[in-house]
Amino acid sequence: GESVGLHLPTLSVQEGDNSIINCAYSNSASDYFIWYKQESGKGPQFIIDIRSNMDKRQGQRVTVLLNKTVKHLSLQIAATQPGDSAVYFCAENSPGNTPLVFGKGTRLSVIA
Amino acid sequence: GAGVSQSPSNKVTEKGKDVELRCDPISGHTALYWYRQSLGQGLEFLIYFQGNSAPDKSGLPSDRFSAERTGGSVSTLTIQRTQQEDSAVYLCASSWPHQGNTIYFGEGSWLTVV
Repeated sequence: GESVGLHLPTLSVQEGDNSIINCAYSNSASDYFIWYKQESGKGPQFIIDIRSNMDKRQGQRVTVLLNKTVKHLSLQIAATQPGDSAVYFCAENSPGNTPLVFGKGTRLSVIA
Repeated sequence: GAGVSQSPSNKVTEKGKDVELRCDPISGHTALYWYRQSLGQGLEFLIYFQGNSAPDKSGLPSDRFSAERTGGSVSTLTIQRTQQEDSAVYLCASSWPHQGNTIYFGEGSWLTVV
């Protein structure tokens, strides 16, 4: 069936380096994508979103890239900090009253 | 309130008992979602309310699970005759009505069935 998945379940990066978290989606009808950050013991926190009419969107230290040709989504975190350590989920939404579909998540560990 | 509020934050119950989990969405949000997250896993969709439309219950794992939303605001997720496999974090989220709007999550209700 249609699904959202992640290439890497874990990612370790050195503090100060840039991080890239990838996500593949299979529903070609999806037109809205969100990245969430979940710290231990907390609910998912919205980071950034992007609609399908865009291929790039930037926030504070984060950039989301969308490649609809290969159905790929990535989250780039610049100058990764220890506070960025968390599990990151991508989620997709397709038109109509449908719920978000989440990927399994990538754990980002920042090495000081 | 400022964010999605869930209660209780933690619940330990005996196998076979019923539990009720409450969600108070962000004021004005007409869409409300329940997700379940087992330890170290992703988010599993359970049920979705959108305004006065019939809820999307396609994610409920069994007939022991039910949810209602009264007055278009507060929602209650009920699990009857709890089983150990029901142990998980139950996350509630809400958003504005239109598709493609950001969904905001609460901190979750941690349920442990012993």
